[in-house]
Amino acid sequence: NAGVTQTPKFRVLKTGQSMTLLCAQDMNHEYMYWYRQDPGMGLRLIHYSVGEGTTAKGEVPDGYNVSRLKKQNFLLGLESAAPSQTSVYFCASSYDGPPMNTGELFFGEGSRLTVL
Amino acid sequence: GENVEQHPSTLSVQEGDSAVIKCTYSDSASNYFPWYKQELGKRPQLIIDIRSNVGEKKDQRIAVTLNKTAKHFSLHITETQPEDSAVYFCAATPPYNNNDMRFGAGTRLTVKP
Repeated sequence: NAGVTQTPKFRVLKTGQSMTLLCAQDMNHEYMYWYRQDPGMGLRLIHYSVGEGTTAKGEVPDGYNVSRLKKQNFLLGLESAAPSQTSVYFCASSYDGPPMNTGELFFGEGSRLTVL
Repeated sequence: GENVEQHPSTLSVQEGDSAVIKCTYSDSASNYFPWYKQELGKRPQLIIDIRSNVGEKKDQRIAVTLNKTAKHFSLHITETQPEDSAVYFCAATPPYNNNDMRFGAGTRLTVKP
């Protein structure tokens, strides 16, 4: 099992450009999440999905869109990148939403995005 | 929504000493409190968690305590080793939105040999 994989791992964008981050999991998890990690601010939830075809906003959703067309994939899109979106992005999945079962989040390796 | 504060932001200990990291949460309804460890350049990984119906949980050198009245919980690492050096994140989950786990800002632990 590869677990949770993210692509790309690094990307540099210019302000106003668009891009998509892809997250794939092979654990048959229902729940998937996108977090951003900034120094001194921990992990903040951008969007999440409780199953194929569903998405919901998290704590910091502005400037991002997501799609969950297939159970195993969760895409994060930036339509018009801004310097404030420079961050490390982590995808995660869980068997069930906490705290129903273990609640454990399985994270990908992260994607470092720089917006100039 | 839930708000989690974590202290200290950095912690340095000598190998073999104990380390304690504390978190406070704002929503008294929160009922699930995990701790994640993130080594440099790696992904966060769950190391221990506790639910609100339990006051303490241990796993070898790691323990977590929960005080629901005071709304705080702590991570205790005994007999620290250099491989314990990492950033540790606490989190709290409110039941009214159990997919919105709120994380603390993190504690960078350095264990000096």
